[in-house]
Amino acid sequence: ETGVTQSPTHLIKTRGQQVTLRCSSQSGHNTVSWYQQALGQGPQFIFQYYREEENGRGNFPPRFSGLQFPNYSSELNVNALELDDSALYLCASSSRRPGQGYNEQFFGPGTRLTVL
Amino acid sequence: AQTVTQSQPEMSVQEAETVTLSCTYDTSESNYYLFWYKQPPSRQMILVIRQEAYKQQNATENRFSVNFQKAAKSFSLKISDSQLGDTAMYFCAFMNLGGAQKLVFGQGTRLTINP
Repeated sequence: ETGVTQSPTHLIKTRGQQVTLRCSSQSGHNTVSWYQQALGQGPQFIFQYYREEENGRGNFPPRFSGLQFPNYSSELNVNALELDDSALYLCASSSRRPGQGYNEQFFGPGTRLTVL
Repeated sequence: AQTVTQSQPEMSVQEAETVTLSCTYDTSESNYYLFWYKQPPSRQMILVIRQEAYKQQNATENRFSVNFQKAAKSFSLKISDSQLGDTAMYFCAFMNLGGAQKLVFGQGTRLTINP
């Protein structure tokens, strides 16, 4: 069973640029959540995708957007990068079923984004 | 909105000692889960232990156990017989079972186990 993978591992961008981060969910999982973890802080929820649709969003501006593909992999796009966007971006996949309770989220290793 | 607070930014103990990490949370929800995650320098977030709010019995996983005080909204993690491999950032997290089931994390506690 393949775990959650993310690419790239590290990325350096300049202010104002756009970036796309990728996440491959664990086999059999249909839900992907994205989190932003600033240095020395706990992760903060950005949004979640379930069966290719956004299923909840945290307190992030619209320049943070995402996609989920039919194979349940996902992308996080950030436009007009700002210095404060420098962070570790984590994705987590889970397997949601209608009416089911708790679904464990399995995390990837993250992408470290540096904005100069 | 839910909040999670970890009041100990850093802790350090000797190998084989017992250490307790503190966490408090605030919510008006009744159906939720609480978690402790470990994040070693490799950055991978690893689930250590979880607790269902409706269960009064404290969860235990080998050397890891929790003290869940629902009325006080307190959720501490006890690590017994600590090992060098326990060195990591530890995050307390909350999940409401409604909606997106997002995780709300605390600020973390950096735990160092010394030889």
